[in-house]
Amino acid sequence: GQSLEQPSEVTAVEGAIVQINCTYQTSGFYGLSWYQQHDGGAPTFLSYNGLDGLEETGRFSSFLSRSDSYGYLLLQELQMKDSASYFCAVRDHRGKLIFGQGTELSVKP
Amino acid sequence: DAGITQSPRHKVTETGTPVTLRCHQTENHRYMYWYRQDPGHGLRLIHYSYGVKDTDKGEVSDGYSVSRSKTEDFLLTLESATSSQTSVYFCAISEGQPTNEKLFFGSGTQLSVL
Repeated sequence: GQSLEQPSEVTAVEGAIVQINCTYQTSGFYGLSWYQQHDGGAPTFLSYNGLDGLEETGRFSSFLSRSDSYGYLLLQELQMKDSASYFCAVRDHRGKLIFGQGTELSVKP
Repeated sequence: DAGITQSPRHKVTETGTPVTLRCHQTENHRYMYWYRQDPGHGLRLIHYSYGVKDTDKGEVSDGYSVSRSKTEDFLLTLESATSSQTSVYFCAISEGQPTNEKLFFGSGTQLSVL
């Protein structure tokens, strides 16, 4: 089966850098995605890694190591508006996108 | 914003009654999904569709059925609602190939089964 592990909570201060890790176990692998969700609203797509390495989009970066079944989301220059839940997701061999349980990020002043 | 509309936005129903949730898209995307979200469980896939009349089960499909008779509409039916189906339900769409990871989500439906 498929499983994803990520921390349930992370706290950081404004201006800091935070890393949210995700380890996965899947039958077949087609890349790692990250989504952001504010206060139970609609999740929104942040990034996708299909190959090993770092993908950068503004203040956010995402990393993947397929040999380690591991990835992370890196948020730099944290802002209060970054307080949200962050989900990693993988697509299984049948094409279904499976999400982790989510990491709640709290950004403090 | 992607054109996805979920209806109703909120619903309260009684145990044993049938309930249908609707997802409507204006993007002509091929793939449509139904997820439920519960505290401590993240987003769990119920059913998904890869085309008109083409659907498949997700992780938590028991007690749910779906139909897709038109590209733009994906219906989720709870045949006989139970209290364990109290949840927030999200519809999502994606275009193109299965490897397209960018899902667009609707605003969700809060369902309470009493």
